Order: sequence, then structure tokens, then C-alpha cells
Amino acid sequence: SAVISQKPSRDICQRGTSLTIQCQVDSQVTMMFWYRQQPGQSLTLIATANQGSEATYESGFVIDKFPISRPNLTFSTLTVSNMSPEDSSIYLCSAPLGNTIYFGEGSWLTVV
Amino acid sequence: GDSVTQMEGPVTLSEEAFLTINCTYTATGYPSLFWYVQYPGEGLQLLLKATKADDKGSNKGFEATYRKETTSFHLEKGSVQVSDSAVYFCALSDRSNDYKLSFGAGTTVTVRA
Repeated sequence: SAVISQKPSRDICQRGTSLTIQCQVDSQVTMMFWYRQQPGQSLTLIATANQGSEATYESGFVIDKFPISRPNLTFSTLTVSNMSPEDSSIYLCSAPLGNTIYFGEGSWLTVV
Repeated sequence: GDSVTQMEGPVTLSEEAFLTINCTYTATGYPSLFWYVQYPGEGLQLLLKATKADDKGSNKGFEATYRKETTSFHLEKGSVQVSDSAVYFCALSDRSNDYKLSFGAGTTVTVRA
């Protein structure tokens, strides 16, 4: 089975700063996805990251706020820019392998 | 669009009780269906899955059957343990939609000794 690792696992961030989350998959995958889970809520898809092209963002999410990189088939980053307390969430990356979709452990961000 | 409707919680049970969490879906294609579990303070783990009608997914004593006629994927466990306390998410992936997952709202389950 795929292993997806994320860094950082947790962080406390100052308002107005930016933080980049890294996601590493132990196999090459065409698509990677970034989700957000706000406190006590379900998961919402932020964007789809394909290697060699710009990320595709879902309604309500924009590139200026959540820039994404996808330099190769095993790695992606999500930056949360100009953070506010409303950005306090768990950010998860995921990737499909076969007909199963795997998730990283999540990056738990608290903005103060 | 695709959507998942999940039984709302919280659900509180005693050890060895029977657990059912209802999940129904709406999809245009032939989705794959998943149950994910999130233990306290942890990330999301795949619990089980089913990729076509009448498939039964099972893991750790949990089962769910893909029912196309009722568009359902209810999660069941015959005898829960305290360690099953977690949030359970039903989700679907419509492969024609590039494997994006649509999640239910999540059901918090607490099992008491």
C-alpha cells in the first residue's frame, strides 16, 4: 500500500505569515489532492495538483491564498498564505493508487 | 453533483453493542465507495472500500455492502470496542471525475466500557 507523509505534522503560526506543507508519496502518482478539514467539520477539497501543469482549484479557493507546487510525480507542496485564525485546520494531501485513495497523516495548523 | 449523506451523530454505545452508521449517496456515474476513520488526534485512515455493486468491504470487524438499488453503503460492526471510538466518514469517488472524493459530514462514535 502507498505511504504518504506530510511535514509539518503540527505547527502554531502567527497571523499574517505563510506556511508551506510538504507531501511525499512513496510511489509515482499522476494526481495529488489537497483537502482542508476545519475544526469539527468534514473534509473539503482545495485543489488537484497534476505534475507539469497548474493546480485546479475548487470553488472558494484561489491560487493567491493556496499556491501549490507539483515538481515531480512523488511530491507536492501547499502554501497557506497570509494566515488568519480562520485558516486553523487540518490540511491533508491524498493520492489515488489503483482504485484506492490514500491520505497523509495531516498537518494540523493553528493560527494565533 | 456527487454527494454523500451520512447519519449524524454523535453516537454513544456500550462495549459489545452493535453499530450501524447509515450512508447514502448520489452520483452520476459508477462510484467507488469508502469508509474512512479518524481516531482522536490522528489523520484519516482508510477503513474499507467497495468498487462495484454488491461488493462487500470489510476490515477490523467492520463491514459495508455497496447497494446500488438503494444507493447506500451502511457501515456495521457486530461488537464494538472502546478502541473503535473515532469519527467515521463515508466518501465516494467518481472515477470519471478524476478521483475527487466527496465526503459525508462524519459521525462521531464513542464507545464506553
